[in-house]
Amino acid sequence: GDSVTQMEGPVTLSEEAFLTINCTYTATGYPSLFWYVQYPGEGLQLLLKATKADDKGSNKGFEATYRKETTSFHLEKGSVQVSDSAVYFCALSHRDNYGQNFVFGPGTRLSVLP
Amino acid sequence: GAVVSQHPSRVICKSGTSVKIECRSLDFQATTMFWYRQFPKQSLMLMATSNEGSKATYEQGVEKDKFLINHASLTLSTLTVTSAHPEDSSFYICSAERRDHGYTFGSGTRLTVV
Repeated sequence: GDSVTQMEGPVTLSEEAFLTINCTYTATGYPSLFWYVQYPGEGLQLLLKATKADDKGSNKGFEATYRKETTSFHLEKGSVQVSDSAVYFCALSHRDNYGQNFVFGPGTRLSVLP
Repeated sequence: GAVVSQHPSRVICKSGTSVKIECRSLDFQATTMFWYRQFPKQSLMLMATSNEGSKATYEQGVEKDKFLINHASLTLSTLTVTSAHPEDSSFYICSAERRDHGYTFGSGTRLTVV
């Protein structure tokens, strides 16, 4: 079945450091790919998405490119801030005979220190 | 690792009936459960947040009398869609928070109301 793998956390960075969180997936067909963020005490928020190969999603300084050849969707940010501290989830979504579904990775906790 | 079991994975029901979806944390106590729904051509939307032993907090626009959430124990939360209609057909997924350890998603439930 479909699956999403993320790099193990927690990730601790200093403010203004470069961030990469790796994400790879296994899926049949052509899924859409997402990054979600969850801040403490809140629900998921969509951070960015890409719906086809070579698409780049970007938002709030974060970006990720849909790489079909490597089945990856790595999240990057050039300069992190303390306010970026949260849990980040990579996810895929596709439609099959039963409808749409989502598969999430395990999440990566990011802590940014001032 | 932390596992969240969500049942059923797929359900078809007649219009006007009620459907219960269960989310159970198998090997940890979930202090908070989040319930999400996917709207057509959109990503997941948070419906409500529930804490064990207290009433759920619903997001704006979610009918609390239609989507009944019960979080009776630290390992079980249920979402009941009452008097279901075809427009309630969707993908529903839960997420359980384990304090200081992060979040784990269920596998989702695809509801079809006919």
